[in-house]
Amino acid sequence: GAVVSQHPSWVICKSGTSVKIECRSLDFQATTMFWYRQFPKQSLMLMATSNEGSKATYEQGVEKDKFLINHASLTLSTLTVTSAHPEDSSFYICSARIAGLAGANEQFFGPGTRLTVL
Amino acid sequence: AQSVAQPEDQVNVAEGNPLTVKCTYSVSGNPYLFWYVQYPNRGLQFLLKYITGDNLVKGSYGFEAEFNKSQTSFHLKKPSALVSDSALYFCAVSLPSSASKIIFGSGTRLSIRP
Repeated sequence: GAVVSQHPSWVICKSGTSVKIECRSLDFQATTMFWYRQFPKQSLMLMATSNEGSKATYEQGVEKDKFLINHASLTLSTLTVTSAHPEDSSFYICSARIAGLAGANEQFFGPGTRLTVL
Repeated sequence: AQSVAQPEDQVNVAEGNPLTVKCTYSVSGNPYLFWYVQYPNRGLQFLLKYITGDNLVKGSYGFEAEFNKSQTSFHLKKPSALVSDSALYFCAVSLPSSASKIIFGSGTRLSIRP
Protein backbone atom coordinates (compact mmCIF):
# COMPACT_ATOMS: atom_id res chain seq x y z
CA GLY A 1 0.00 0.00 0.00
CA ALA A 2 0.80 3.72 -0.07
CA VAL A 3 2.32 3.78 -3.54
CA VAL A 4 3.09 7.04 -5.30
CA SER A 5 3.88 7.17 -8.99
CA GLN A 6 5.37 9.88 -11.16
CA HIS A 7 5.20 10.38 -14.88
CA PRO A 8 7.34 10.72 -16.83
CA SER A 9 10.36 9.14 -15.15
CA TRP A 10 12.63 11.23 -17.31
CA VAL A 11 12.20 13.97 -19.86
CA ILE A 12 14.46 15.96 -22.15
CA CYS A 13 13.19 19.22 -23.54
CA LYS A 14 14.40 22.27 -25.39
CA SER A 15 15.00 25.55 -23.62
CA GLY A 16 11.87 27.69 -23.56
CA THR A 17 9.37 24.86 -23.59
CA SER A 18 7.11 23.81 -20.73
CA VAL A 19 7.12 20.41 -19.09
CA LYS A 20 4.38 18.82 -16.98
CA ILE A 21 5.15 16.20 -14.34
CA GLU A 22 2.37 14.13 -12.81
CA CYS A 23 2.29 12.72 -9.31
CA ARG A 24 -0.35 10.14 -8.44
CA SER A 25 -1.25 8.31 -5.25
CA LEU A 26 -2.25 4.88 -6.51
CA ASP A 27 -3.98 3.25 -3.57
CA PHE A 28 -4.86 6.07 -1.21
CA GLN A 29 -6.23 9.57 -1.15
CA ALA A 30 -3.82 12.40 -0.52
CA THR A 31 -5.10 15.76 0.57
CA THR A 32 -1.56 17.04 0.69
CA MET A 33 1.25 16.43 -1.75
CA PHE A 34 4.73 17.87 -1.74
CA TRP A 35 7.16 18.73 -4.50
CA TYR A 36 10.90 18.51 -3.96
CA ARG A 37 13.89 19.29 -6.09
CA GLN A 38 17.19 17.47 -5.77
CA PHE A 39 20.45 18.53 -7.39
CA PRO A 40 23.20 15.94 -7.90
CA LYS A 41 24.72 14.74 -4.66
CA GLN A 42 22.53 17.09 -2.66
CA SER A 43 19.58 16.76 -0.37
CA LEU A 44 15.93 17.26 -1.20
CA MET A 45 14.72 20.84 -1.11
CA LEU A 46 11.02 21.39 -0.56
CA MET A 47 9.61 23.54 -3.34
CA ALA A 48 5.94 23.67 -2.47
CA THR A 49 3.08 22.07 -0.61
CA SER A 50 0.09 21.18 -2.72
CA ASN A 51 -3.35 20.97 -1.14
CA GLU A 52 -6.29 19.47 -2.99
CA GLY A 53 -8.70 22.11 -4.15
CA SER A 54 -6.64 25.10 -3.09
CA LYS A 55 -3.57 27.05 -4.13
CA ALA A 56 -0.18 25.61 -3.45
CA THR A 57 2.09 27.06 -0.79
CA TYR A 58 5.53 27.81 -2.14
CA GLU A 59 8.75 27.88 -0.19
CA GLN A 60 10.79 31.04 -0.07
CA GLY A 61 12.75 31.57 -3.23
CA VAL A 62 10.61 29.33 -5.43
CA GLU A 63 8.93 31.17 -8.30
CA LYS A 64 5.27 30.25 -8.33
CA ASP A 65 4.80 31.53 -11.87
CA LYS A 66 7.60 29.31 -13.11
CA PHE A 67 6.64 26.18 -11.22
CA LEU A 68 2.89 25.83 -11.59
CA ILE A 69 1.27 23.33 -9.27
CA ASN A 70 -2.24 21.97 -9.62
CA HIS A 71 -3.86 19.51 -7.21
CA ALA A 72 -7.20 18.92 -8.84
CA SER A 73 -8.11 15.64 -7.20
CA LEU A 74 -7.26 13.60 -4.13
CA THR A 75 -4.98 11.36 -6.17
CA LEU A 76 -3.26 13.70 -8.62
CA SER A 77 -0.96 16.69 -8.40
CA THR A 78 0.91 18.17 -11.34
CA LEU A 79 4.02 20.32 -11.53
CA THR A 80 4.54 22.33 -14.71
CA VAL A 81 7.93 23.87 -15.31
CA THR A 82 7.18 26.79 -17.58
CA SER A 83 9.68 28.19 -20.05
CA ALA A 84 12.30 25.75 -18.88
CA HIS A 85 15.97 26.65 -18.97
CA PRO A 86 19.10 24.54 -18.47
CA GLU A 87 19.34 25.64 -14.83
CA ASP A 88 15.97 23.97 -14.23
CA SER A 89 17.53 20.61 -15.00
CA SER A 90 17.17 18.56 -11.85
CA PHE A 91 15.56 15.54 -10.24
CA TYR A 92 12.01 16.36 -9.16
CA ILE A 93 10.41 14.19 -6.51
CA CYS A 94 6.86 14.31 -5.21
CA SER A 95 5.45 12.87 -2.03
CA ALA A 96 2.00 12.42 -0.57
CA ARG A 97 0.47 12.33 2.85
CA ILE A 98 -2.49 10.03 3.48
CA ALA A 99 -5.75 11.91 3.98
CA GLY A 100 -7.07 11.65 7.50
CA LEU A 101 -3.97 9.97 8.87
CA ALA A 102 -3.32 11.61 12.19
CA GLY A 103 0.14 12.14 13.54
CA ALA A 104 3.57 11.21 12.25
CA ASN A 105 3.52 13.49 9.21
CA GLU A 106 4.76 10.50 7.25
CA GLN A 107 5.14 11.05 3.54
CA PHE A 108 5.28 8.49 0.76
CA PHE A 109 7.61 9.35 -2.09
CA GLY A 110 7.38 8.91 -5.80
CA PRO A 111 10.27 7.50 -7.84
CA GLY A 112 11.26 10.92 -9.16
CA THR A 113 11.44 12.59 -12.57
CA ARG A 114 14.73 13.58 -14.11
CA LEU A 115 14.38 16.72 -16.18
CA THR A 116 17.10 17.73 -18.61
CA VAL A 117 16.74 21.02 -20.41
CA LEU A 118 18.94 21.47 -23.47
CA ALA B 1 14.20 27.09 12.90
CA GLN B 2 14.34 23.35 12.76
CA SER B 3 17.30 21.67 11.14
CA VAL B 4 18.91 18.30 10.65
CA ALA B 5 22.63 17.60 10.46
CA GLN B 6 24.35 14.58 9.00
CA PRO B 7 28.01 15.23 9.77
CA GLU B 8 29.42 12.55 7.48
CA ASP B 9 29.21 12.88 3.71
CA GLN B 10 30.33 9.28 3.32
CA VAL B 11 30.64 6.21 5.50
CA ASN B 12 32.67 3.20 4.40
CA VAL B 13 32.17 -0.18 6.06
CA ALA B 14 33.27 -3.71 5.29
CA GLU B 15 30.53 -6.24 4.65
CA GLY B 16 29.53 -8.04 7.82
CA ASN B 17 30.66 -5.22 10.10
CA PRO B 18 28.26 -3.03 12.06
CA LEU B 19 27.42 0.34 10.59
CA THR B 20 26.33 3.67 12.04
CA VAL B 21 25.10 6.71 10.14
CA LYS B 22 24.92 9.76 12.34
CA CYS B 23 22.15 12.32 12.61
CA THR B 24 21.52 15.19 14.99
CA TYR B 25 18.63 17.59 14.97
CA SER B 26 17.67 20.98 16.28
CA VAL B 27 13.99 21.68 16.89
CA SER B 28 11.82 23.41 19.43
CA GLY B 29 9.29 20.88 20.58
CA ASN B 30 8.89 17.14 20.28
CA PRO B 31 10.00 16.02 16.83
CA TYR B 32 9.03 13.21 14.58
CA LEU B 33 12.21 11.66 13.17
CA PHE B 34 12.65 9.63 10.02
CA TRP B 35 15.26 7.77 8.02
CA TYR B 36 14.93 7.32 4.29
CA VAL B 37 17.16 5.54 1.77
CA GLN B 38 17.67 6.51 -1.86
CA TYR B 39 19.12 4.30 -4.57
CA PRO B 40 20.54 5.88 -7.77
CA ASN B 41 17.91 7.69 -9.85
CA ARG B 42 15.16 6.54 -7.54
CA GLY B 43 12.83 8.20 -5.09
CA LEU B 44 13.10 7.85 -1.34
CA GLN B 45 12.20 4.68 0.47
CA PHE B 46 11.01 4.85 4.05
CA LEU B 47 13.17 2.95 6.56
CA LEU B 48 11.84 3.85 9.97
CA LYS B 49 10.40 6.59 12.15
CA TYR B 50 10.29 7.71 15.75
CA ILE B 51 7.10 9.24 17.06
CA THR B 52 7.05 8.48 20.76
CA GLY B 53 7.64 5.60 23.15
CA ASP B 54 10.60 3.23 22.98
CA ASN B 55 13.77 5.07 22.04
CA LEU B 56 14.99 2.15 19.92
CA VAL B 57 13.10 1.93 16.68
CA LYS B 58 13.35 -1.04 14.34
CA GLY B 59 12.76 -0.59 10.64
CA SER B 60 13.11 -2.17 7.23
CA TYR B 61 16.03 -4.29 6.01
CA GLY B 62 17.38 -4.88 9.51
CA PHE B 63 18.03 -1.21 10.25
CA GLU B 64 17.33 0.40 13.59
CA ALA B 65 17.76 3.84 15.09
CA GLU B 66 18.03 5.15 18.61
CA PHE B 67 16.40 8.37 19.69
CA ASN B 68 18.51 10.21 22.25
CA LYS B 69 16.74 13.30 23.50
CA SER B 70 19.60 14.61 25.64
CA GLN B 71 22.02 14.43 22.73
CA THR B 72 19.35 15.36 20.16
CA SER B 73 20.50 12.48 18.00
CA PHE B 74 18.86 9.78 15.94
CA HIS B 75 21.68 7.60 14.60
CA LEU B 76 20.92 4.83 12.15
CA LYS B 77 22.48 1.45 12.85
CA LYS B 78 22.71 -2.07 11.51
CA PRO B 79 24.54 -4.93 13.20
CA SER B 80 25.89 -6.51 10.02
CA ALA B 81 26.22 -4.55 6.78
CA LEU B 82 25.43 -5.95 3.34
CA VAL B 83 26.85 -4.77 0.02
CA SER B 84 23.26 -4.11 -1.04
CA ASP B 85 22.96 -1.53 1.76
CA SER B 86 25.16 0.81 -0.30
CA ALA B 87 23.01 3.85 -1.01
CA LEU B 88 22.31 7.43 0.04
CA TYR B 89 20.67 7.81 3.45
CA PHE B 90 18.68 10.80 4.61
CA CYS B 91 17.68 11.71 8.13
CA ALA B 92 14.61 13.94 8.42
CA VAL B 93 12.61 15.76 11.05
CA SER B 94 9.09 17.04 11.26
CA LEU B 95 7.02 18.81 13.87
CA PRO B 96 3.36 18.05 14.52
CA SER B 97 2.56 21.71 14.08
CA SER B 98 4.47 22.13 10.84
CA ALA B 99 1.69 21.20 8.43
CA SER B 100 3.39 17.94 7.55
CA LYS B 101 6.60 19.56 6.36
CA ILE B 102 9.65 17.36 6.53
CA ILE B 103 13.14 18.84 6.67
CA PHE B 104 15.89 16.64 5.30
CA GLY B 105 19.51 16.36 6.26
CA SER B 106 22.20 16.65 3.64
CA GLY B 107 22.49 12.92 3.20
CA THR B 108 25.21 10.36 3.88
CA ARG B 109 26.50 8.02 1.22
CA LEU B 110 27.00 4.56 2.65
CA SER B 111 29.47 2.34 0.84
CA ILE B 112 29.80 -1.30 1.84
CA ARG B 113 32.84 -3.10 0.46
CA PRO B 114 32.81 -6.86 -0.05
